Amino acid sequence: QKEVEQDPGPLSVPEGAIVSLNCTYSNSAFQYFMWYRQYSRKGPELLMYTYSSGNKEDGRFTAQVDKSSKYISLFIRDSQPSDSATYLCAMIVLDTGRRALTFGSGTRLQVQP
Amino acid sequence: NAGVTQTPKFRVLKTGQSMTLLCAQDMNHEYMYWYRQDPGMGLRLIHYSVGEGTTAKGEVPDGYNVSRLKKQNFLLGLESAAPSQTSVYFCASSWVHHGLGGYNEQFFGPGTRLTVL
Repeated sequence: QKEVEQDPGPLSVPEGAIVSLNCTYSNSAFQYFMWYRQYSRKGPELLMYTYSSGNKEDGRFTAQVDKSSKYISLFIRDSQPSDSATYLCAMIVLDTGRRALTFGSGTRLQVQP
Repeated sequence: NAGVTQTPKFRVLKTGQSMTLLCAQDMNHEYMYWYRQDPGMGLRLIHYSVGEGTTAKGEVPDGYNVSRLKKQNFLLGLESAAPSQTSVYFCASSWVHHGLGGYNEQFFGPGTRLTVL
């Protein structure tokens, strides 16, 4: 079983829709939770990160963490065609020397104009 | 600033051939990483380095070697390429983080697409 599970999609929505992307994880030692966006044939870029349970908002994006359920979400409001990309959740345990990320497999999102 | 750069962008190898992938960063980051990305698998850590002259194994290190002779460069080597190493390889870097209570963003390069026939 993978440490981080993510539905691969693809998820297709009309422009203006609210998008919900989710990941579940099994390792309760994860401390930081990130969402990366990856456009086709590009490297991942950090979208948002959160530390504690609850919500964090940045413009049209809201990241939600529920540590008790080991579940994280990314909500995109008023989705745009430019949001079409693969969204990767990632997590990290900071008290190890390597500081490497554990990634979900990514959800491909298509926003139709 | 160029950020994180990777060379080459594409490469096709025959089974048994060797090659080196180069990663360079101009942000004075201490930490550098090599990941591979395969369909349905996400990114998996191959090797990493916490500073010049140091390297360590990640999740999937077999068949790869690395070197960090200069702080700004991190090399990934394949001594005898196999078809199972067909993948997209990403390098990343970040600042060193002392203790708990904060997270330093990992910056990724554009990737190298490698095909082993």
